[in-house]
Amino acid sequence: GQQLNQSPQSMFIQEGEDVSMNCTSSSIFNTWLWYKQDPGEGPVLLIALYKAGELTSNGRLTAQFGITRKDSFLNISASIPSDVGIYFCAGFTGTASKLTFGTGTRLQVTL
Amino acid sequence: GAGVSQSPRYKVAKRGQDVALRCDPISGHVSLFWYQQALGQGPEFLTYFQNEAQLDKSGLPSDRFFAERPEGSVSTLKIQRTQQEDSAVYLCASTQWTSGRETQYFGPGTRLLVL
Repeated sequence: GQQLNQSPQSMFIQEGEDVSMNCTSSSIFNTWLWYKQDPGEGPVLLIALYKAGELTSNGRLTAQFGITRKDSFLNISASIPSDVGIYFCAGFTGTASKLTFGTGTRLQVTL
Repeated sequence: GAGVSQSPRYKVAKRGQDVALRCDPISGHVSLFWYQQALGQGPEFLTYFQNEAQLDKSGLPSDRFFAERPEGSVSTLKIQRTQQEDSAVYLCASTQWTSGRETQYFGPGTRLLVL
């Protein structure tokens, strides 16, 4: 099935560094969601974006809905060890519809 | 309950065995989704219910996969005659609608291993 292109695939950074990841699609989305998945768990919602150009923060996390509606970005500031995990972008193309997920970004943080 | 719950959390099945996976959505959530997540991949859509009606089953990989939600709350995903390629994490999600905005919340998943 279709998956969104997410980059980078993995990141290995030091504690305290800022992190950026993005997600692109060939299709227009009307909602973008960012999830974090820890090993053995389901995805946990981090941020939801509903309008093109929208910039939303949740603590150290900031995400943006691209103007073209075909991309989204997630930034994590001052990373800490518990930020380790896999981050997925996901989008809706319509109402009450299935989510299309990105390929994931694996984040590893060292002290 | 406070979140989406799924059971069992882990299931080991012999090839050819039938399995049933259960999902309890967040109370009051009308829409329920099933996804399949292969190792190292993002979740992929299987099927969608609105109340008891199955509105989209386009993601079910074969006719061995069957899902139901007879009373519009709990849902069961059944896989008949399991094959090794069915090994994956099966995620259930329910949807909250607020002021025309949709958000999906996921359960912890059922990890299925077919030997």
